[in-house]
Amino acid sequence: ETGVTQSPTHLIKTRGQQVTLRCSSQSGHNTVSWYQQALGQGPQFIFQYYREEENGRGNFPPRFSGLQFPNYSSELNVNALELDDSALYLCASSFQGFGRNEQFFGPGTRLTVL
Amino acid sequence: DQQVKQNSPSLSVQEGRISILNCDYTNSMFDYFLWYKKYPAEGPTFLISISSIKDKNEDGRFTVFLNKSAKHLSLHIVPSQPGDSAVYFCAASRSNRDDKIIFGKGTRLHILP
Repeated sequence: ETGVTQSPTHLIKTRGQQVTLRCSSQSGHNTVSWYQQALGQGPQFIFQYYREEENGRGNFPPRFSGLQFPNYSSELNVNALELDDSALYLCASSFQGFGRNEQFFGPGTRLTVL
Repeated sequence: DQQVKQNSPSLSVQEGRISILNCDYTNSMFDYFLWYKKYPAEGPTFLISISSIKDKNEDGRFTVFLNKSAKHLSLHIVPSQPGDSAVYFCAASRSNRDDKIIFGKGTRLHILP
């Protein structure tokens, strides 16, 4: 069973640029959630994708957008990068069926915006 | 507005003793609570959870206690081991199905030899 993987591991961008982060969900999972973890903070929910549709969104502006593909992998896109976007971006996958389902996290992508 | 609060940024405990990590929440709609453990350069890993219909859940060395009236939960680790040194996040979710998890800021646990 393959766990959640994310790419790249880290990257550096400048203000105003755009970035795409990628996540491969764990085998058998159909739901992907994205979180932003700023330094010294807990992860903050950005949005969740289920069956290729956005299924819940946190308090993030529209320049944060996402996609989920038929194989349940996902992308997080951030446009017009700002300095405050510097953070660890975590992807978590789960199987949304009956009852509560545990979310499994990837190792994250460290984004630095200069 | 911090809906899940972990007021102790760090905690040091002697190996073999009990570690108690505390968490408070403000949103009475939360009905499911989780603890995650995070090592450096890794994503958070699920540790233990508790539904609001229970007041205690135990899994090996880990026990979570929930006091709904006080909106407080705690994680007990006994006995504490060196491998328990990590950041622990308290988290909560509501009774709808969107699985959005609200995390606290975390408590860094140091297990001393």
